[in-house]
Amino acid sequence: EAGVVQSPRYKIIEKKQPVAFWCNPISGHNTLYWYLQNLGQGPELLIRYENEEAVDDSQLPKDRFSAERLKGVDSTLKIQPAELGDSAVYLCASSAGGKNNEQFFGPGTRLTVL
Amino acid sequence: AQSVTQLGSHVSVSEGALVLLRCNYSSSVPPYLFWYVQYPNQGLQLLLKYTSAATLVKGINGFEAEFKKSETSFHLTKPSAHMSDAAEYFCAVSDLAGSQGNLIFGKGTKLSVKP
Repeated sequence: EAGVVQSPRYKIIEKKQPVAFWCNPISGHNTLYWYLQNLGQGPELLIRYENEEAVDDSQLPKDRFSAERLKGVDSTLKIQPAELGDSAVYLCASSAGGKNNEQFFGPGTRLTVL
Repeated sequence: AQSVTQLGSHVSVSEGALVLLRCNYSSSVPPYLFWYVQYPNQGLQLLLKYTSAATLVKGINGFEAEFKKSETSFHLTKPSAHMSDAAEYFCAVSDLAGSQGNLIFGKGTKLSVKP
């Protein structure tokens, strides 16, 4: 069974440029998460989707960040414009739901903003 | 609100020695607790989870953790470290026990294993 797929794995951009990350969750997983992981820190939730609905986006900086999951499967996270402080790893995870809340993580996209 | 504190950002052990990674949590409801491992340039992989069943939880790769409510702890142990255990370990608590809650992670503990 394929795991959570993310692309690109690495991205280097200049500040003020836009950038987008793509995530394909495990087949059948209705819940999708985007996390931000700064160097030396644990992941922090940005947004959680249940199917195509964003049920928790309270930690998403909406002035520059946006996300979508149009058909309830793949998801895209966008930053426009990027700032130096956005340099981090962006992790996607998915879950089948239920009480145990086991989340499966992708390898992440490492963003460097110059 | 839930929170997790991992004591020690870096732990170093010799190969064959006991591994002990500490995690304390704060939760106003019965927590669901998790340990994840992250190898360099990879995503997080679930080691084990506590979901209000047995307090001693066994996970993959010989790791186990014990839920101690009185101490609000969920420390991760392994009797004998292998070189392949070198990685970063994250403790996490779910903020809505029994539901599809969000995970709140600690800052992580980097484990080094010396030959």
